[in-house]
Amino acid sequence: DAGVIQSPRHEVTEMGQEVTLRCKPISGHDYLFWYRQTMMRGLELLIYFNNNVPIDDSGMPEDRFSAKMPNASFSTLKIQPSEPRDSAVYFCASSYRGRESEAFFGQGTRLTVV
Amino acid sequence: AQSVTQLDSQVPVFEEAPVELRCNYSSSVSVYLFWYVQYPNQGLQLLLKYLSGSTLVESINGFEAEFNKSQTSFHLRKPSVHISDTAEYFCAVRAGNMLTFGGGTRLMVKP
Repeated sequence: DAGVIQSPRHEVTEMGQEVTLRCKPISGHDYLFWYRQTMMRGLELLIYFNNNVPIDDSGMPEDRFSAKMPNASFSTLKIQPSEPRDSAVYFCASSYRGRESEAFFGQGTRLTVV
Repeated sequence: AQSVTQLDSQVPVFEEAPVELRCNYSSSVSVYLFWYVQYPNQGLQLLLKYLSGSTLVESINGFEAEFNKSQTSFHLRKPSVHISDTAEYFCAVRAGNMLTFGGGTRLMVKP
């Protein structure tokens, strides 16, 4: 398997624009996590899915953020409208069922909002 | 809810010296514990994990961590570090379905 695949790797956008980040989890994994990493706040869990269903979105900072998982092989994280403070590295991770399974991370999307 | 505290944000150390990166956690339920490593401009990679059994777990590149239930700690150690170990290290706790990370420790190995 190619691992967790995220696209794009880098995104630069202007304030107010819509941004969509994409993630393809490892085949067979039934948990998918979205994290945001910043210098100030470290690694924050935004939302996670189990079997394509959002389980906990308490980490989503505002209504400007939304995430979907239409099928087992694809998820999106959308920010609309984007703001400079959304600049961060966004990671997607997936894991197999069970608490003992580690999460496998993608390479991340570095988002810069100017 | 669970939380993870990594007590040192940065740890400078000379090459071939020993190092310990500290991690403490809190949780009201039993947990599984992980250490991840992040090299510059890359995602996180699993270094080692504790699920059950022996409280001492080892990685393939010489790191080890010991689970101490009474002290709720999972410190990471290496007896002799290399320049290539320079990276950020994250301790993580999984209780239930959520995976919670500490703030990270930047290990800086100097020649």
